[in-house]
Amino acid sequence: DVKVTQSSRYLVKRTGEKVFLECVQDMDHENMFWYRQDPGLGLRLIYFSYDVKMKEKGDIPEGYSVSREKKERFSLILESASTNQTSMYLCASSLDKRGTGLTGELFFGEGSRLTVL
Amino acid sequence: TQLLEQSPQFLSIQEGENLTVYCNSSSVFSSLQWYRQEPGEGPVLLVTVVTGGEVKKLKRLTFQFGDARKDSSLHITAAQPGDTGLYLCAGPPSNDYKLSFGAGTTVTVRA
Repeated sequence: DVKVTQSSRYLVKRTGEKVFLECVQDMDHENMFWYRQDPGLGLRLIYFSYDVKMKEKGDIPEGYSVSREKKERFSLILESASTNQTSMYLCASSLDKRGTGLTGELFFGEGSRLTVL
Repeated sequence: TQLLEQSPQFLSIQEGENLTVYCNSSSVFSSLQWYRQEPGEGPVLLVTVVTGGEVKKLKRLTFQFGDARKDSSLHITAAQPGDTGLYLCAGPPSNDYKLSFGAGTTVTVRA
């Protein structure tokens, strides 16, 4: 079974702090994604990566950066946390099957609930 | 504005009743995926529909993709408390290479 592990289930940070959210997958998937989930808005894509050291902006990248130094690990960084970044953050990975590219089945972690005070 | 509109937003029913969740768009989608997310967990894929008019069944769940590939529905027969969760539809619009998600339908099945 694919396992996507997010380092922290719950975090409480103060405005202006730097925040690291770590995600590791164990199935050698090429693609990795960071989403935020807010009630009534569904999942919104922050950043994604289709290869090591490659990253692309999603729909809401402002205030975030990412790092993918190894294939299995994708980190989300909030350089200076703000209260409007309080949210549930979901990491996902997918296999780049022929013909599916970035649109194949997503395997999600359990989520990291971040509260910024 | 969501590319995929899900309705209703909330649904609360008694065990044994049937329910239908809708996922609609004005855009054409290459395929549509349905995920279920239980409290405290990440979403898990239930099914992918690819062909217009396609119907897929997963035990008591029936998924349909519209003929024009702009809409989809999920029907649950004789709902059980274990069906409780947030149901999300997602798909790649024909002019994009990434998935778009609907806002989700929260289903509560009371015992």
